[in-house]
Amino acid sequence: GAVVSQHPSRVICKSGTSVKIECRSLDFQATTMFWYRQFPKQSLMLMATSNEGSKATYEQGVEKDKFLINHASLTLSTLTVTSAHPEDSSFYICSARGSTRRYQETQYFGPGTRLLVL
Amino acid sequence: GDSVTQMEGPVTLSEEAFLTINCTYTATGYPSLFWYVQYPGEGLQLLLKATKADDKGSNKGFEATYRKETTSFHLEKGSVQVSDSAVYFCALSGVGNFNKFYFGSGTKLNVKP
Repeated sequence: GAVVSQHPSRVICKSGTSVKIECRSLDFQATTMFWYRQFPKQSLMLMATSNEGSKATYEQGVEKDKFLINHASLTLSTLTVTSAHPEDSSFYICSARGSTRRYQETQYFGPGTRLLVL
Repeated sequence: GDSVTQMEGPVTLSEEAFLTINCTYTATGYPSLFWYVQYPGEGLQLLLKATKADDKGSNKGFEATYRKETTSFHLEKGSVQVSDSAVYFCALSGVGNFNKFYFGSGTKLNVKP
C-alpha cells in the first residue's frame, strides 16, 4: 500500500513553455500533498503544501505564480511550471499524506520527475 | 529551529561490511524520526521510522534507535549488500506535525562486491 505515482518521469521542454507534472496517490486518499525540489547531490527542498480543495501554501522564496499547484481531488495534485527557464531544470518530487491513521504519520513519496529546460 | 545533521558521504564499503550512518537532530519536544532511501533516478522510499524515545525502527536488516539523550538516530546494518547502494536521508517531523519534514543532506552509500 501507500503508492504514489508521478507523470511524466522525465520531460524536456523549450525555454518559455509550460510544463505540467501530475502526482497521484494510487491506493489511499491524500488529503495533503507536498511538492519538493531536489538539486543534484543535495537534499529535498519543500516548495509548497496543498490540501485538497484549497489553495496551496508556498514556502518562502518560492514563486507561486511560476509554480502553480492544483489539488483538485483526494488522489491528484498537479504542479505546473509556467514559462520555464533553464534554471528551473531540476528533479521534482511529490509526496502525500492520508487522513486515516495508517497513512497519516508519514509522507509517501513519488518517484520524481526530471525536468530539463533547454 | 528544527534541523537534521547527517554524516557526509560518500561511504564506500565492501559487501558484508558493517554500516553506520550517523544522524543527529535538533528539535523541541519529541519529534518523529525517519530514514528514507533513494535509489538512482528514483524518489524516496520510507526505510524505517521511530516515533518516541528508545523506539527502534527496523526494516530489511537496517535498524535505528531513537536516542533522546544524545539526540541521535543512527542507521546501522550488520552486513551490507551491493543492492544497498543508494542515498540515505535522515528526517524528522515536528511534534504532531507530519506536514513539516526536515531532511538531512543525504549520505551516499557505495557497496562494492
